[in-house]
Amino acid sequence: QAGLAQPPSVSRDLRQTATLTCTGNINNVGNQGAAWLQQHQGHPPKLLSFRNSVRPSGISERFSSSRSGDTASLTIVGLQPEDEADYYCSAWDTGLNVMVFGGGTKLTVL
Amino acid sequence: QVQLVESGGGVVQPGRSLSLSCAASGLSISDYIMHWVRQAPGKGLEWVAEIYPAATITTYADSVRGRFTISRDNSKNTLYLHMDSLRLEDTALYYCAKGATPGTWHDFFDYWGQGALVTVSS
Repeated sequence: QAGLAQPPSVSRDLRQTATLTCTGNINNVGNQGAAWLQQHQGHPPKLLSFRNSVRPSGISERFSSSRSGDTASLTIVGLQPEDEADYYCSAWDTGLNVMVFGGGTKLTVL
Repeated sequence: QVQLVESGGGVVQPGRSLSLSCAASGLSISDYIMHWVRQAPGKGLEWVAEIYPAATITTYADSVRGRFTISRDNSKNTLYLHMDSLRLEDTALYYCAKGATPGTWHDFFDYWGQGALVTVSS
């Protein structure tokens, strides 16, 4: 079952901005919208945003997300050391009838 | 607060069976689609299976269909995964996850458990 496309790694300097992308198709990201998850080493995934741009309570305003067509984006401003983690996108695929995930992007804060 | 706690992981030989449980607290899961997601060591997330609120519908990933069975007991607020004919490639951390929207609408996962490690090894 095909997944969503994410770059394997992104590196940015401390206090800079990182934008992570997630590309799917009309059956998943382009239809149901995407959610973003953050996973630190040894911990379960944590919901960062859903329905393309909604941030759950307790999530820093430094995290924002959007969607354009079949591509979702997560932007993190003012990068902090604790932002170093793996980031996954997810979306329900109405054609395959499964939840699809991106392969994850490892964010390194230099 | 909402908690999902998996249990039942362990080491098992190829071809054998193992069952996982996921006990929920802080909310009733009876109105929500529940899911299992797994993560092989050093790898990404892979959706495994889902079960509708009244257990009327179950769906599986191609990789586990015919070998795994998802079930639930809403009276015990607990989700299960029974795994038969285990393979080396089933080695992973298995998470239970809750669908965010009540009913049968497929949506994002708002709560995740800590995971249960299943190791398939001879």
